[in-house]
Amino acid sequence: QQQVKQSPQSLIVQKGGISIINCAYENTAFDYFPWYQQFPGKGPALLIAIRPDVSEKKEGRFTISFNKSAKQFSLHIMDSQPGDSATYFCAASTGGSSASKIIFGSGTRLSIRP
Amino acid sequence: DAGVTQSPTHLIKTRGQQVTLRCSPKSGHDTVSWYQQALGQGPQFIFQYYEEEERQRGNFPDRFSGHQFPNYSSELNVNALLLGDSALYLCASSPRGGRQETQYFGPGTRLLVL
Repeated sequence: QQQVKQSPQSLIVQKGGISIINCAYENTAFDYFPWYQQFPGKGPALLIAIRPDVSEKKEGRFTISFNKSAKQFSLHIMDSQPGDSATYFCAASTGGSSASKIIFGSGTRLSIRP
Repeated sequence: DAGVTQSPTHLIKTRGQQVTLRCSPKSGHDTVSWYQQALGQGPQFIFQYYEEEERQRGNFPDRFSGHQFPNYSSELNVNALLLGDSALYLCASSPRGGRQETQYFGPGTRLLVL
């Protein structure tokens, strides 16, 4: 119930292409769905997040699509660039506050080929 | 603003030893959460401290303990180290009463148990 399942485990995309990472969850109490980006030797950094009252959120080249009925959400990276090469984690939490623990997916290692 | 800082950056220990990791939260933050990130996995919540008390705990044994000091900095202690404790240990800080997106992660301490 507390798991967030993420796929694929790794992804290679050509420069300028679209990168798509998918996640699924079971716990309907989750009310916050962030995506984190992690570079080697660094901690995860919040990239973009969505709440279940909207179906899509876009920030620059990054878009989250959210399907509440299917309990799935995905990250789309448009015009992927070599600098986007990193590990991406979907996550979820409940409680609505900064004290809420974050449940992470297993991660997707994204490589953008020049 | 220095952000979340952690020390040491790397540490090597042997089985059965004890280790202490340290975290200084971002300025203005008073809540500290600790996560364990095994190689190739997403971070897993260990516990959270505010007002110098453990407030939430994940599914980790009692060998994992912590402390928060009056200046909001925190320590993670692991006793009787096992090979499986080798991981990146992340600290995240947040302000009490803040929203979920106000959690910031430090760069982590990489622990290797031989």
